[in-house]
Amino acid sequence: GAVVSQHPSRVICKSGTSVKIECRSLDFQATTMFWYRQFPKQSLMLMATSNEGSKATYEQGVEKDKFLINHASLTLSTLTVTSAHPEDSSFYICSGLAGRLGTDTQYFGPGTRLTVL
Amino acid sequence: GENVEQHPSTLSVQEGDSAVIKCTYSDSASNYFPWYKQELGKGPQLIIDIRSNVGEKKDQRIAVTLNKTAKHFSLHITETQPEDSAVYFCAASMGAGGTSYGKLTFGQGTILTVHP
Repeated sequence: GAVVSQHPSRVICKSGTSVKIECRSLDFQATTMFWYRQFPKQSLMLMATSNEGSKATYEQGVEKDKFLINHASLTLSTLTVTSAHPEDSSFYICSGLAGRLGTDTQYFGPGTRLTVL
Repeated sequence: GENVEQHPSTLSVQEGDSAVIKCTYSDSASNYFPWYKQELGKGPQLIIDIRSNVGEKKDQRIAVTLNKTAKHFSLHITETQPEDSAVYFCAASMGAGGTSYGKLTFGQGTILTVHP
């Protein structure tokens, strides 16, 4: 159990276009989802925390107008990279946290490789 | 905020040997410490976790120890196999309750290579 999927797994786009990445919890309800980005040979950097039905909370230095996050249901969160530029190329990973009290475990998706030309 | 330091950054062992990775954290309010294994091009996979009310936890060849007083925790892998080769990340969290919403702070990662 506790499976998280991401779509697409890989995307290549032109500079200036927008890209949407979906994150789904397949067998549990994720009241909270997190979005991370990871550069080669580096650790995961938290971008934002998303609670179902409310606005996302962004980490310092992350542009909320550039990285739009929507958590419309307990099983789906989306990240839209608007007006993407080559420096946005990275590995984007989401995770879901089950809402039951005392359940701290985050389950991660397989990641989405974004390449902006 | 929380800061997690992880060592070593790379670790090379022979198959069958043990591997130990250590992490320290700064915020005494942290109470949940998971370890993740990440293979190339994939998302992190939880391999073991420990909560602050426990000093040690074991799952087959993998064990984690926690010293709350010293604010450090370690991952121990015994009888290593080539398929254990991956990047391992430690993390710390103040738990899902409260305003942190279970946010994880990750260590820098350890590249483990197990030679046949």
